[in-house]
Amino acid sequence: QSVLTQPPSASGPPGQRVTISCSGGRSNIGDNPVSWYQVLPGTAPKLVIYNNDQRPSGIPDRLSGSKSGTSASLAIGGLQSEDEADYHCASWDGSLNGVVFGGGTKLTVL
Amino acid sequence: VHLQESGPGLVKPSETLSLTCTVSGGSVINPNWWGWVRQFPGAGLEYIGETFHDRSSNYNPSLHGRVTVSIDRPYNRFSLRLDSMTAADTAMYFCVRGATQAPAHRILGAFDIWGQGVMVAVSS
Repeated sequence: QSVLTQPPSASGPPGQRVTISCSGGRSNIGDNPVSWYQVLPGTAPKLVIYNNDQRPSGIPDRLSGSKSGTSASLAIGGLQSEDEADYHCASWDGSLNGVVFGGGTKLTVL
Repeated sequence: VHLQESGPGLVKPSETLSLTCTVSGGSVINPNWWGWVRQFPGAGLEYIGETFHDRSSNYNPSLHGRVTVSIDRPYNRFSLRLDSMTAADTAMYFCVRGATQAPAHRILGAFDIWGQGVMVAVSS
């Protein structure tokens, strides 16, 4: 059972905008920044958002992150087939003194 | 910076798992945290633990003291030790680097470099 809660799946047709949610508590998302990871089949996770809304170099601006209270969201605009992957949110948890992850959301491009 | 895991792909129940992550293109004494994350088959990611070059460390409390992460400076690598392995520990194990922002401020929850991963099965 993951500390952070994500929907198991999300989908949308090419070109559309999809949002994935991540819900936590005060000790993690409420007090600390959120990161998002993209996991393509057979590959290692890739950091796509950090500090709630910052993109590492090379990540397209079609991906954006936001946070409000104890919840966060990842939005992917202009869906492309290459976006089909699992997306995991993460945050530091001050009570556990470590990183906690969401269970992951499988994004399907219809 | 590139990370490469090495270690056994099969461990017997009750035995200890030892994995090593070799760092190339960078140094383990840089101001980064170095750690391990695992992914269970068909499931989410789990933080295992991490360490800093000053020997500070953080571990997932759900592992009940079975884990040790340490840095081996002469060989520019870091290691994971997980005791009393059970079938529930079967997973893909990744070594990771904690991300920082200049000059050396840690970005909490962000791991910017990952190894390719090593699959570890626990079976007799």
